[in-house]
Amino acid sequence: DIQMTQSPSSLSASVGDRVTITCRASQGISNYLAWYQQKPGKVPKLLIYAASTLQSGVPSRFSGSGSGTDFTLTISSLQPEDVATYYCQKYNSALQHTFGQGTKLEIK
Amino acid sequence: EVQLVQSGAEVKKPGESLKISCKGSGYSFTSYWIGWVRQMPGKGLEWMGIIYPGDSDTRYSPSFQGQVTISADKSISTAYLQWSSLKASDTAMYYCARSRDGMDVWGQGTTVTVSS
Repeated sequence: DIQMTQSPSSLSASVGDRVTITCRASQGISNYLAWYQQKPGKVPKLLIYAASTLQSGVPSRFSGSGSGTDFTLTISSLQPEDVATYYCQKYNSALQHTFGQGTKLEIK
Repeated sequence: EVQLVQSGAEVKKPGESLKISCKGSGYSFTSYWIGWVRQMPGKGLEWMGIIYPGDSDTRYSPSFQGQVTISADKSISTAYLQWSSLKASDTAMYYCARSRDGMDVWGQGTTVTVSS
């Protein structure tokens, strides 16, 4: 099974900061990688798919990059409403769409 | 509007059976995979499995194979997740979500509580 490992597990940053979260796959998954945001008590929301394609309606301060085994989610200027847990997910086959363990983002 | 509407919260005893539902509307239900995701209290997202309602092709995560059954009735645009014998460890929030390039439309979640 392909494992998805996110880092860091948690981070604290200031409003306006550039924030980067990484996701590493144990084997290559091309660009079959999605990012989700889950605010406390809410349903997860798709932010990015195909590693770098912004889902409709998602603010442009969010961006994704990477291919193969290493991926990043970047928030260019952190806003208070971005407090959430972020998950990556691979979907390169119908067999296992594994999620990363999550990164909890807080405001300093 | 594209949406998935899940059945309501359930409280069950260990050993009981349960079937929860996820009804799609606003899109071609038979043209997208539907996935199920578990979130245990205070924990992360776990992908359980996926079904293609068009032909009922179903795949399971090894972690959930044999523990749950995923099915769909395309005539009523509804997917299901069922257990034959619940355990206390099945207590969690369960989400269904439309799946193609990522999971882009999510149900509101169904809370399942298993307690004696």
